[in-house]
Amino acid sequence: AQSVSQHNHHVILSEAASLELGCNYSYGGTVNLFWYVQYPGQHLQLLLKYFSGDPLVKGIKGFEAEFIKSKFSFNLRKPSVQWSDTAEYFCAVKGGGNKLVFGAGTILRVKS
Amino acid sequence: GAGVSQSPSNKVTEKGKDVELRCDPISGHTALYWYRQRLGQGLEFLIYFQGNSAPDKSGLPSDRFSAERTGESVSTLTIQRTQQEDSAVYLCASSPSGVLAETQYFGPGTRLLVL
Repeated sequence: AQSVSQHNHHVILSEAASLELGCNYSYGGTVNLFWYVQYPGQHLQLLLKYFSGDPLVKGIKGFEAEFIKSKFSFNLRKPSVQWSDTAEYFCAVKGGGNKLVFGAGTILRVKS
Repeated sequence: GAGVSQSPSNKVTEKGKDVELRCDPISGHTALYWYRQRLGQGLEFLIYFQGNSAPDKSGLPSDRFSAERTGESVSTLTIQRTQQEDSAVYLCASSPSGVLAETQYFGPGTRLLVL
């Protein structure tokens, strides 16, 4: 069965710090990979996605993620976080089948 | 354009009662998904509808859960004889067909509390 592991449940950073959120998945076949974000009081929004091609994908608001197939990883990065990045971040994988499999989420708090 | 909408936004019910949750997908989206998110956990797949095909019910946790969708429009998720462990946020998502089919667009969710 597919599974997704997010390494940290809570992350606290100061503004301008660099961010890296880990995501590892277990699935042996071809995958589509996603990062979703949920800002306080808002619904889930797509941050970025990887289907194929360049393993370094860029999303909205300066976020990027790198797909490393050999490590089954899809880590999310941002060079310099802002207070407005405070949110919960979910990594998700779609392998064979119809469903997205989500990680448990990482709550990011950025101190101003 | 309008996004995915869900109603009610909040529902409090007593254990043993039935509840019905509604999802209006984005117009033209052929696929519709229901997920459940328990406190502190990730989203858990429940059911998937694609056009007029038979739904994928593999994620429904018990026979108390059922869902319907008429064509490519509204879907309802019904939970019968609710239990306290059913308390969660129920999220609906829809996606288009074609090359964008892999991207799901989520609604705001229905927060269900079973007392």
